[in-house]
Amino acid sequence: EVQLVQSGAEVKKPGESLKISCKGSGYSFTSYWIGWVRQMPGKGLEWMGIIYPGDSDTRYSPSFQGQVTISADKSISTAYLQWSSLKASDTAMYYCARRVVGLYYFDYWGQGTLVTVSS
Amino acid sequence: QSALTQPPSASGSPGQSVTISCTGTSSDVGGYNYVSWYQQHPGKAPKLMIYEVSKRPSGVPDRFSGSKSGNTASLTVSGLQAEDEADYYCSSYAGSNSYVVFGGGTKLTVL
Repeated sequence: EVQLVQSGAEVKKPGESLKISCKGSGYSFTSYWIGWVRQMPGKGLEWMGIIYPGDSDTRYSPSFQGQVTISADKSISTAYLQWSSLKASDTAMYYCARRVVGLYYFDYWGQGTLVTVSS
Repeated sequence: QSALTQPPSASGSPGQSVTISCTGTSSDVGGYNYVSWYQQHPGKAPKLMIYEVSKRPSGVPDRFSGSKSGNTASLTVSGLQAEDEADYYCSSYAGSNSYVVFGGGTKLTVL
């Protein structure tokens, strides 16, 4: 069974750093892309970026380029999304999701990680 | 890249059909057959309902169907059921850098 299990909710202060994770199981982690999607409170979905764990090829949405870093450790089948300096506007639910190579939809999703940034 | 345009809300009575539109441009919806639709219930992760304009993943009822004409894609839900009440998001491949754009979402209410 394909599963993407994300790390737990986080409460941080502005300016702090953060790294959240997404662990894949039940499939070949290095053969699929992993993407990250933001959902701000009461708002829609936003495509942030994507990584291919097989060779760490990473692509970012122009809106998120330079704002976050996506990485992966294929030895432990885990992808990451990190911030070096959080802002209140980063408060959101973050989902990871799997994408088949050469296709442009997410077929499996993680349960989401809620990030709250507040002073 | 701008978000795709969806109506904020749609509604129908049980058993009826409802269609949700998703309008983009020739650089996304109109340029590729890579439109997908996701269903999201409150507090839950999105679920893939339609991919590549009109294909259904295993397990998705055939009451859900997708189509596209020009720069506008559509999701039709036939034989509405109470459990279909959810938010629906379209998305499309938008060219360079594997970029994908989402629609703003449509809240479907089953009356």
